[in-house]
Amino acid sequence: GAVVSQHPSWVICKSGTSVKIECRSLDFQATTMFWYRQFPKQSLMLMATSNEGSKATYEQGVEKDKFLINHASLTLSTLTVTSAHPEDSSFYICSARGNGIHEQFFGPGTRLTVL
Amino acid sequence: QKEVEQNSGPLSVPEGAIASLNCTYSDRGSQSFFWYRQYSGKSPELIMSIYSNGDKEDGRFTAQLNKASQYVSLLIRDSQPSDSATYLCAVNKGDSSYKLIFGSGTRLLVRP
Repeated sequence: GAVVSQHPSWVICKSGTSVKIECRSLDFQATTMFWYRQFPKQSLMLMATSNEGSKATYEQGVEKDKFLINHASLTLSTLTVTSAHPEDSSFYICSARGNGIHEQFFGPGTRLTVL
Repeated sequence: QKEVEQNSGPLSVPEGAIASLNCTYSDRGSQSFFWYRQYSGKSPELIMSIYSNGDKEDGRFTAQLNKASQYVSLLIRDSQPSDSATYLCAVNKGDSSYKLIFGSGTRLLVRP
């Protein structure tokens, strides 16, 4: 149980374009989903927290107009990187937790490369 | 002071030995503690969670928690080369947000 999927697993795009990443909880209802970013040889950095049906809460320093998060259902959250630039190239990972559960289960991640 | 501190390693142990990974945290309000394993280029995988003082065993893994000392550890018995990875200690934020604060991870190398 507790399987989280992400799509796509990798994406290459041109500078200035937008990229959408999907995160799905496959066998449980995700009350909360989290979006992280990880640069090479660094630890996970939380970008935002999203609860189903509510606006996402962004961490300090994360531009909410650049990283659009939608959590429209209990099994799906999306992260859209708008007007991507090479400095946005990173490993984006989502995690999800169910109601009353403290553990976060991670998706496999999406590697974004912006040319 | 970092909120969650881990020795970056690498910690090198021979196959079959016990690997001991340590973590300290600063928020006394934290109640939930987790160990994740992350292979290079992959996302983190939950290994253990622990919520109360003492030991919790699951197979070859034992998590230990001492809230008074603000210390969490992970023991891996009979270490295997496949255990070679980065181990991330994660601590909940001590509020109602369910956010986790991650340490920078300890790289473990198990020598055949």
